Amino acid sequence: QKEVEQNSGPLSVPEGAIASLNCTYSDRGSQSFFWYRQYSGKSPELIMFIYSNGDKEDGRFTAQLNKASQYVSLLIRDSQPSDSATYLCAFPGGYQKVTFGTGTKLQVIP
Amino acid sequence: SQTIHQWPATLVQPVGSPLSLECTVEGTSNPNLYWYRQAAGRGLQLLFYSVGIGQISSEVPQNLSASRPQDRQFILSSKKLLLSDSGFYLCAWSRTGEASPLHFGNGTRLTVT
Repeated sequence: QKEVEQNSGPLSVPEGAIASLNCTYSDRGSQSFFWYRQYSGKSPELIMFIYSNGDKEDGRFTAQLNKASQYVSLLIRDSQPSDSATYLCAFPGGYQKVTFGTGTKLQVIP
Repeated sequence: SQTIHQWPATLVQPVGSPLSLECTVEGTSNPNLYWYRQAAGRGLQLLFYSVGIGQISSEVPQNLSASRPQDRQFILSSKKLLLSDSGFYLCAWSRTGEASPLHFGNGTRLTVT
């Protein structure tokens, strides 16, 4: 079983809509989660991190964590074409390592 | 603020040639340092990580090696490149601590011909 599962997409949403990106994980001991955005040909950029159950909001982004269901999601409100990228979820995997999902490609259609 | 520098940005090397990629971090002390590789259209593969000078952990057996000669310097090397070594190489740093996120450099796109 993969440690982190993400739907590879592409996920297509119209401009102005809410994009919902999801990630499931297998390690019940995971305490924190990160969301990265990676534009084509560029390096990943940290956009959100969440350490506790519930929601965390930052501008148009909301991260949601449900530890009981081993599920973390990222909502992007008022999606813009500039949000088109691959979104990676990640979590510390022990021994100072971070495990990444393979990412979901988001396409925001103008 | 902390910054991470990685060079070169692109590199084209023939099969069998050596490789040296360098990464430095500024604005922090005793960072954890990482080398990842991303093949085209694929996820991030952890190659090496280091929690201190001279301390290197290897995740994938291969013809690559890493060294950390100074606290904020991380070097990825190979004596003889293979075609399969082509990819996007990313250096990253994090603060010491299990819950710290990684911060990536701009990456090196390596093409082995």
